[in-house]
Amino acid sequence: QQPVQSPQAVILREGEDAVINCSSSKALYSVHWYRQKHGEAPVFLMILLKGGEQKGHEKISASFNEKKQQSSLYLTASQLSYSGTYFCGTLDNTGNQFYFGTGTSLTVIP
Amino acid sequence: NAGVTQTPKFQVLKTGQSMTLQCAQDMNHNSMYWYRQDPGMGLRLIYYSASEGTTDKGEVPNGYNVSRLNKREFSLRLESAAPSQTSVYFCASSQQGSPGSSYEQYFGPGTRLTVT
Repeated sequence: QQPVQSPQAVILREGEDAVINCSSSKALYSVHWYRQKHGEAPVFLMILLKGGEQKGHEKISASFNEKKQQSSLYLTASQLSYSGTYFCGTLDNTGNQFYFGTGTSLTVIP
Repeated sequence: NAGVTQTPKFQVLKTGQSMTLQCAQDMNHNSMYWYRQDPGMGLRLIYYSASEGTTDKGEVPNGYNVSRLNKREFSLRLESAAPSQTSVYFCASSQQGSPGSSYEQYFGPGTRLTVT
């Protein structure tokens, strides 16, 4: 029931791009993305609702493919401030089950 | 505007002791949530309150109780702490709805709890 995120960890140099994937075994209504810096609280990035929309937030965007039950987070031209752990959260079509994934650790180095 | 506040920030308990974690929000949100975060496990929902006067179990409710004291405050109680409850506890709030609704969640700074 918990969505699976890949990769588990990634190291980038400043300016490089990354993709983080989130897959579920259930039909989904929504996907949420959060970023958590070490020792801090998670911070909201974006929500994608059923309908296959794509959203953007500065240089971070995401897509939601409801047929494949998966979402991808795209980070372009990464900055040092992008470092942290990224979590997806998925709500199934019944609207009753919401789970966070185990996270993807992203480290951006100079 | 403090957002979501939690007390205490750190706590050490002995097995069998009880304690209450406090959470308050000043954003006039209807919904509040309690999560625990363990290494490699992500965030797991313990309990939530979709509106004042209602509470519902989440994924890992055993060993915990909650009280929605009023619209602002949502407390989490450990009646008899166990080492397995060593974790970081986050409170969150959102405008309305159950977890995963169309509204973003705002998280508090967390409480780091160790049970020995």
